Amino acid sequence: GQQVMQIPQYQHVQEGEDFTTYCNSSTTLSNIQWYKQRPGGHPVFLIQLVKSGEVKKQKRLTFQFGEAKKNSSLHITATQTTDVGTYFCAGPYNNAGNMLTFGGGTRLMVKP
Amino acid sequence: KAGVTQTPRYLIKTRGQQVTLSCSPISGHRSVSWYQQTPGQGLQFLFEYFSETQRNKGNFPGRFSGRQFSNSRSEMNVSTLELGDSALYLCASSLPNRESYGYTFGSGTRLTVV
Repeated sequence: GQQVMQIPQYQHVQEGEDFTTYCNSSTTLSNIQWYKQRPGGHPVFLIQLVKSGEVKKQKRLTFQFGEAKKNSSLHITATQTTDVGTYFCAGPYNNAGNMLTFGGGTRLMVKP
Repeated sequence: KAGVTQTPRYLIKTRGQQVTLSCSPISGHRSVSWYQQTPGQGLQFLFEYFSETQRNKGNFPGRFSGRQFSNSRSEMNVSTLELGDSALYLCASSLPNRESYGYTFGSGTRLTVV
């Protein structure tokens, strides 16, 4: 079945350093979504990418969708302690309906 | 507008018991999906309901069931609880079509089975 993999699983950074998490799907995706879950919280939708090669920015966050629509990345510039949490990518399961397959997430820890 | 409301927030049950969790989606969102989140397995899809019909189902045993009411509120039920059912159960509402702009998750129900 469809699999969505994320690396790394964990990442410790010093505040001010950059951070990148990578997401790879076993199948071509119609779109990819990114979510952030703070410790003790619930996932919060960040963004959806739809087009091949699409790049979107939200302040210090840059999201990219691969040309083949099978991979994506999230890059955070100059991390802050408020960036702490787990970042998940998710793709529509079999590109149908509202069912999403989530990656395992990358847990970001930021040392002040 | 109000977010997704899940009740109860915390629940402790004994093995063999059954449990019902409730979810009220964002007004206007007719699609409700349920996920189980555990440290070992991550976010696993349980089922999705739209217009009172189960539209998708994940790979969980028949002990897990759900339903949706005409006002889009949804419930999920787990019968004959096992220790491994301890998890955070998340409900998410969304627009029903493929071009939806992401899930809005509720705060979840943390179920502990002892």
